[in-house]
Amino acid sequence: GNSVTQMEGPVTLSEEAFLTINCTYTATGYPSLFWYVQYPGEGLQLLLKATKADDKGSNKGFEATYRKETTSFHLEKGSVQVSDSAVYFCALRRDDKIIFGKGTRLHILP
Amino acid sequence: NAGVMQNPRHLVRRRGQEARLRCSPMKGHSHVYWYRQLPEEGLKFMVYLQKENIIDESGMPKERFSAEFPKEGPSILRIQQVVRGDSAAYFCASSGNSLQETQYFGPGTRLLVL
Repeated sequence: GNSVTQMEGPVTLSEEAFLTINCTYTATGYPSLFWYVQYPGEGLQLLLKATKADDKGSNKGFEATYRKETTSFHLEKGSVQVSDSAVYFCALRRDDKIIFGKGTRLHILP
Repeated sequence: NAGVMQNPRHLVRRRGQEARLRCSPMKGHSHVYWYRQLPEEGLKFMVYLQKENIIDESGMPKERFSAEFPKEGPSILRIQQVVRGDSAAYFCASSGNSLQETQYFGPGTRLLVL
């Protein structure tokens, strides 16, 4: 079946540190891949997406590359800020539904 | 351009009562999706609707839950005879006229069953 596995949190980093949140997926074919972010008390916002192999999605300094060989879509940012503290969800789309990972809570310390 | 609207944002119900959650999609969007987020979990797909049609309800519990998206007005997710296990955040998303289009999420309704 289709599933998404992402690293468990919480992840705690100091401001300006490098961030990686690992995400791997299982799916038939080549689904579109997404990272969503959820700030405290809010809904999900689309952070970035990639629709085919080797595509790189990027937004607000975050990047993720669709790796077909390793079925991965790891999220990276070179220098995190306190305002990046949130829960990050990796997801794939299969037909009409989005399948989410369990989320990774990120804490950035000043 | 207003985003996806959901109301109420918070809803408290006692066991056995009914909960009605409303979702107004983004302007120009005709596809609506409902997801449920249990505490410390990711979102789980419940149902996909277009105007006056349920397209995919494979994620809906078999009993007590129903959804509609009438020709006029918002989409409604209805939970009858709520139980404590229904406590969760319920998110609505909408997209344009193609399944390939991005789903945009509303702020969610947080349901607490006492």
